[in-house]
Amino acid sequence: QKEVEQDPGPLSVPEGAIVSLNCTYSNSAFQYFMWYRQYSRKGPELLMYTYSSGNKEDGRFTAQVDKSSKYISLFIRDSQPSDSATYLCAMIANQAGTALIFGKGTTLSVSS
Amino acid sequence: GVTQSPTHLIKTRGQQVTLRCSSQSGHNTVSWYQQALGQGPQFIFQYYREEENGRGNFPPRFSGLQFPNDSSELNVNALELDDSALYLCASSRGPSYEQYFGPGTRLTVT
Repeated sequence: QKEVEQDPGPLSVPEGAIVSLNCTYSNSAFQYFMWYRQYSRKGPELLMYTYSSGNKEDGRFTAQVDKSSKYISLFIRDSQPSDSATYLCAMIANQAGTALIFGKGTTLSVSS
Repeated sequence: GVTQSPTHLIKTRGQQVTLRCSSQSGHNTVSWYQQALGQGPQFIFQYYREEENGRGNFPPRFSGLQFPNDSSELNVNALELDDSALYLCASSRGPSYEQYFGPGTRLTVT
């Protein structure tokens, strides 16, 4: 079993839809949870990070962490064609950690 | 931001390659990741204050350096076909979960 599981998709939605992206993990030591967006042939861009359980909102993006279920989510409201990208979840145990552990990424396509 | 060079590179199996990374201003820690096609990035190693500060499950033919100006190099010896991937450098303010990635170097081994 991989430490972080993420459905690779692809996920196709119409413009304006609410998108839900998810990851599950097995290591209960993970405390920091990140979402990265990666456009084709580019490096990952840090979107949001969350510490422990709870919600965090930033504009159209909301990140949720449920440590009891070892499940994290990223919601995108009012999705736009410019949101079309691969979304990677990443996790780490310590604030001063070294290795981010990534999921495989979910490819999202938003059509106008 | 984080910059990497070169953008693309084609090498032959058995050769050696050096990839370079300049960290974001104010960042003194550099981490290297390998991203195979269709996969998430895999941690190779991290450098902090010019010393290796953690290493993933990669063989010793993957080595690195960090320089006093916080830039970094990734060296790969005896290239194998499976080394073909996007190599990503990430910088941070100290060892941290908050890592910012460069655009990557795409390495093709033939």
